[in-house]
Amino acid sequence: KAGVTQTPRYLIKTRGQQVTLSCSPISGHRSVSWYQQTPGQGLQFLFEYFSETQRNKGNFPGRFSGRQFSNSRSEMNVSTLELGDSALYLCASSSGTSGGTSTDTQYFGPGTRLTVL
Amino acid sequence: AQSVTQPDIHITVSEGASLELRCNYSYGATPYLFWYVQSPGQGLQLLLKYFSGDTLVQGIKGFEAEFKRSQSSFNLRKPSVHWSDAAEYFCAVGAWAGNMLTFGGGTRLMVKP
Repeated sequence: KAGVTQTPRYLIKTRGQQVTLSCSPISGHRSVSWYQQTPGQGLQFLFEYFSETQRNKGNFPGRFSGRQFSNSRSEMNVSTLELGDSALYLCASSSGTSGGTSTDTQYFGPGTRLTVL
Repeated sequence: AQSVTQPDIHITVSEGASLELRCNYSYGATPYLFWYVQSPGQGLQLLLKYFSGDTLVQGIKGFEAEFKRSQSSFNLRKPSVHWSDAAEYFCAVGAWAGNMLTFGGGTRLMVKP
C-alpha cells in the first residue's frame, strides 16, 4: 500500500504571497491532519479533516486554512505569507474508524519544506 | 491542557549500549501515548503506541516503552543501540477525541561507533 504523499516537497515563496500544499492519504484513510514543524516551536497541530469536514483546529491564525475533497485528498493554504511561516509542513492520515478518538494511528508523509523569503 | 516534556534535547550513546529516552506528559484523562522517530529530511515514523492494558509496549526496531501512570511517564528503551538508530525521537499524547497529537520537543540521538 502506498504511503502518504505530499506535494510539492520543497517550495520557496516571498512574503505576502500565498501557497497551497497538497496531501494524498493512504488509500482507504478518511482522516487527514496537518502539522507545522519549526526549530523554535517544534511540532504543532494545525487542523484535522474527516469526511470533508474540519473536525479539530489548532491555535493558528485564520491565514491558515484547509479543505478535504471527496476522495480524502487534502490541501492546506497559507495566505499573506510571513517569514515565520517557514517550516516543514507534515500531513498525516488515519482510517478515522475509531469513533474519532486518538486510538486511530496516524501515518505521516515526508513533508513539504516551505521557505519564505 | 495537555503537554509533553522530553527533558533531554541531545543524547549520545555508544553503539551496542542501552538507551532510555525520557518522556513526561500532562493530561487530565487516560492518555493515548506515542513515540515517533524522524530521520533527517523525512517524515515521522511510528515506533509504538499505548492506549490501555499492558503498561509495557513493544514496538518496531527493537524498541519498547513503559507507561507509568504514577510518574506520568512513558519512557522509550532499547537494549542495544545500532548506528542506524541515530535520529530525532518524539513523544506525543493524543486527545480524547479527534486526531490531534501534542508533541514533546524531541530528543536528538547520536550514536558513537
